[in-house]
Amino acid sequence: AQSVTQPDIHITVSEGASLELRCNYSYGATPYLFWYVQSPGQGLQLLLKYFSGDTLVQGIKGFEAEFKRSQSSFNLRKPSVHWSDAAEYFCAVDPKAAGNKLTFGGGTRVLVKP
Amino acid sequence: DGGITQSPKYLFRKEGQNVTLSCEQNLNHDAMYWYRQDPGQGLRLIYYSQIVNDFQKGDIAEGYSVSREKKESFPLTVTSAQKNPTAFYLCASSAGLAGGPLRNEQFFGPGTRLTVL
Repeated sequence: AQSVTQPDIHITVSEGASLELRCNYSYGATPYLFWYVQSPGQGLQLLLKYFSGDTLVQGIKGFEAEFKRSQSSFNLRKPSVHWSDAAEYFCAVDPKAAGNKLTFGGGTRVLVKP
Repeated sequence: DGGITQSPKYLFRKEGQNVTLSCEQNLNHDAMYWYRQDPGQGLRLIYYSQIVNDFQKGDIAEGYSVSREKKESFPLTVTSAQKNPTAFYLCASSAGLAGGPLRNEQFFGPGTRLTVL
């Protein structure tokens, strides 16, 4: 079945440390891929997206993501987290087939320790 | 500035009352969406509309209704038939079917937190 999986429900990281959030998908063809961030009580904000081309994508707020076709993954990274990065992060997939909608992963909540 | 507005930010209603949540966008997007978010859970799609005067049920449409009479507006009514309406509701829009790769790049409003007493 087609799905988007974020294996980590919670991640705790120290301020200044690196962060990597995992996203795996299971679709027949390479989909369009997105990462969103949601601060508490707020809407979602787009961090970055992958449509084609360079597999390393740069986004806002110092985030980047790498698409790996062989692993069906689109992991999000940040070299050095700030306290303001504490939020929930959602991976989303557009399968590209006509009529298909965006499918969201279950989210990963990031806590930042001082 | 282009964007999506949702009003009100907080809404309180008595059990058994219908309530309508507003969503307006000035991004000239064809597609609009309503999601429900419960604590510790991801987003669940309630309804979506790809074009004016047309909409489809999402994964959890029971107890909800929508209309799409104008491109800019996609109000959601939470009816008394919805068993557990207390939740955070998010509206989003995207370019839609004519948008190529951008068709499903969704932009979100700030959300409405509905509490049913």
